Amino acid sequence: GQQVMQIPQYQHVQEGEDFTTYCNSSTTLSNIQWYKQRPGGHPVFLIQLVKSGEVKKQKRLTFQFGEAKKNSSLHITATQTTDVGTYFCAGHNNDMRFGAGTRLTVKP
Amino acid sequence: DAGVTQSPTHLIKTRGQQVTLRCSPKSGHDTVSWYQQALGQGPQFIFQYYEEEERQRGNFPDRFSGHQFPNYSSELNVNALLLGDSALYLCASSLKAGTEKLFFGSGTQLSVL
Repeated sequence: GQQVMQIPQYQHVQEGEDFTTYCNSSTTLSNIQWYKQRPGGHPVFLIQLVKSGEVKKQKRLTFQFGEAKKNSSLHITATQTTDVGTYFCAGHNNDMRFGAGTRLTVKP
Repeated sequence: DAGVTQSPTHLIKTRGQQVTLRCSPKSGHDTVSWYQQALGQGPQFIFQYYEEEERQRGNFPDRFSGHQFPNYSSELNVNALLLGDSALYLCASSLKAGTEKLFFGSGTQLSVL
């Protein structure tokens, strides 16, 4: 069945450093979504990518969808303490399957 | 405009018992998906309900069952609870069982002793 893998599992950065998390699917996806879950909270939708090679930006966050629609990345420029949380990718192919997430901690 | 609401927020059960979790979707949404999230893991897809029918199912045993009501609310039932069923159970609503984004509730934290 469909599997979504995400790396790294953890990332600890100094405030102001950049951060990237990568997502790979075992199957071609119809779309990929990214969610953020704060400690003790629930996943909150960030963005959806649909087209092959698509790139979207939200302020300091840049999201990419691979040409083969099997991989994606989220890059945060100049991290802030408010970026702390776990970032999940979720690939859609009949149903929505989540990666294991990348837990980001930021040292002030 | 109410978001996704889940009840109860916390629940403690013992092995072998049965549990029912409830979810009301976001206003205007007609599709409910259930996820299990173990500590430190990503949400695992259990199943999705649309038009009162189970449309998709993940790799969960038959002990996990569900229902959707005409008002789009949903229940998740788990029979013969195991210690490994301890997790955060998340309900997510969306529109027309399509590829739209998911709105999650705050979840029900289930502990099986």
